[in-house]
Amino acid sequence: EDKVVQSPLSLVVHEGDTVTLNCSYEVTNFRSLLWYKQEKKAPTFLFMLTSSGIEKKSGRLSSILDKKELFSILNITATQTGDSAIYLCAVVQTGGGADGLTFGKGTHLIIQP
Amino acid sequence: KAGVTQTPRYLIKTRGQQVTLSCSPISGHRSVSWYQQTPGQGLQFLFEYFSETQRNKGNFPGRFSGRQFSNSRSEMNVSTLELGDSALYLCASSEQGGVNSPLHFGNGTRLTVT
Repeated sequence: EDKVVQSPLSLVVHEGDTVTLNCSYEVTNFRSLLWYKQEKKAPTFLFMLTSSGIEKKSGRLSSILDKKELFSILNITATQTGDSAIYLCAVVQTGGGADGLTFGKGTHLIIQP
Repeated sequence: KAGVTQTPRYLIKTRGQQVTLSCSPISGHRSVSWYQQTPGQGLQFLFEYFSETQRNKGNFPGRFSGRQFSNSRSEMNVSTLELGDSALYLCASSEQGGVNSPLHFGNGTRLTVT
């Protein structure tokens, strides 16, 4: 059975800390991995990763994919209270998979002032 | 461009009733996907529509159905509601589906079944 596992499930840190969120996957016909940030309602798109070893960066956020070891990490440096959210990882499959995207259960990140 | 719009924002229904949720995608997006989000199960894929055709389907019972109109707007219907159907239902649109382009989510419809 295809699965996407995120860790930790929840994380509480102080402002200014650096955090690393993990996403491992076991799926057939992997095509890409996506990261989303969900604050109150709508998840918002962060990164799409398709190639191993190429870091995607946006401000204080960065992410990288390891297709050999089947995982991705999302780094947030100099965290701010506005980074508090649920971070979702999703894997996209090809080959006519009928399941669309497979999401992990998310990491609930809380940044304390 | 306006974002993905879902209506209504909140719904309270009783067991056995049926409900219809609506989603208007971003202009130009032809793919609309539906997801159910619960604290215990996370985000689970319901189905995807592209150009009025259901292209992918998740592992949900037949009580969950959907359709897409020629203007790409989509509706999702749940019949014979059960308590376990209480969840946040998210709609997402993309140009081609999640394979080649990221999904853009709406704010969801919070359904409570009593």
